[in-house]
This record gives sequence, C-alpha cells and structure tokens, in this order.
Amino acid sequence: EAGVAQSPRYKIIEKRQSVAFWCNPISGHATLYWYQQILGQGPKLLIQFQNNGVVDDSQLPKDRFSAERLKGVDSTLKIQPAKLEDSAVYLCASSPRTVNTGELFFGEGSRLTVL
Amino acid sequence: LAKTTQPISMDSYEGQEVNITCSHNNIATNDYITWYQQFPSQGPRFIIQGYKTKVTNEVASLFIPADRKSSTLSLPRVSLSDTAVYYCLVGRVMRFGAGTRLTVKP
Repeated sequence: EAGVAQSPRYKIIEKRQSVAFWCNPISGHATLYWYQQILGQGPKLLIQFQNNGVVDDSQLPKDRFSAERLKGVDSTLKIQPAKLEDSAVYLCASSPRTVNTGELFFGEGSRLTVL
Repeated sequence: LAKTTQPISMDSYEGQEVNITCSHNNIATNDYITWYQQFPSQGPRFIIQGYKTKVTNEVASLFIPADRKSSTLSLPRVSLSDTAVYYCLVGRVMRFGAGTRLTVKP
C-alpha cells in the first residue's frame, strides 16, 4: 500500500516569496492533516480536513497561509508571503477515520528554508 | 482540550526496559490516549493507543491507571534504534506536545 506522498522534499526561498506544498494521502483516507514542525519542537497542527471540508484551522496563520483539499483527495498548503520564522518541516498526515481516534499516517515531510 | 506533560528527555542503555509517563489530569471521559514515535527527518509513527488498563502490541505496552490521569508507555529491552522522540496525545484533537527525547546508549 502506498504511503502519504509529499512534494517537494526540500525548498529554499527568500522571505516575501511564495511557496506551495502538495500532499497525496493514502487512498480512501477521509481525514487529512497539515502540521508545521520547527526544529526541536513537536508538530503543530495547522489544519484538518474531513473529506473536502475544514474541521479545524484554529492554528493556521490565515494572513499568509492557505490550504485546500479539492475533491476530498489531495491537498495543497500555500505560504504567501513567507517569513523567516516559517522555516520548518511541513508534515502531511491522513487517517481513514472521520473521528479523531486511531492511527495517523504521516508523509516524510517538506523541509522549507526561508532566507 | 486535555493538556499533557511528559519528561523532556530520558537516557537508557541497550537491553533495559524504558517507561515514559505522561500526565493528563483533565482527560475527558471519551478521550483515548495515543503514543507516537519520531525519528530524525521522518514523520511521527503510531505506536499504541488505549483507553484503560493495559494494551500490548509487538512494539510496546501502555499502562493506564483507573483514574486515567496518567499513562505509561513501556518499551521492553530497548536497542540503539529506539532512540527517538516519543509523543503522548490525548483526546480527539491530534495536537502534539514537545515529546520525550529518549537516548539509548550502548
């Protein structure tokens, strides 16, 4: 079974530029999560989708971050404009459940460096 | 939202049993307790989940006392490859804390 796919694996941009990350969850998984993990910290939940609807985006900095999950399958996370403090690994996870129990399956992440 | 508290770091030696305790005093009646493991440059990986008493799988055991205000992840006979960060999550909102950095020494 294919895992959660993310791209690009690495991205280097200058501040004020924009960047987009893509995530393809495991086939059939209803719930999709985006996390931001800054070096030395635990993953921070940015947004949770159930199918193509947003369940929780309370920690998403909406002035610069946006995310969508068209057709309830793959998802894109965009940052515009980027700041130095956005340097982090962006992790995507999916779950077959619509209730938050059980196992989340994580991708390998997209590492962003903002110069 | 249940708040969790774990030790920041722990050291152990190969072959020992390691117990990592997580405190979650305001756990709700319907909340499950879930543990994840994260290696450097990888996403977290599910280890085990429980609601009460004891749960065991091929990787670890999870002990939950009757009051459910804490839980203990037990790793039997650790090896160098168990060096990682371990996270305790409680409830339906999948939010991670800082975790416990376990270092296994030879």
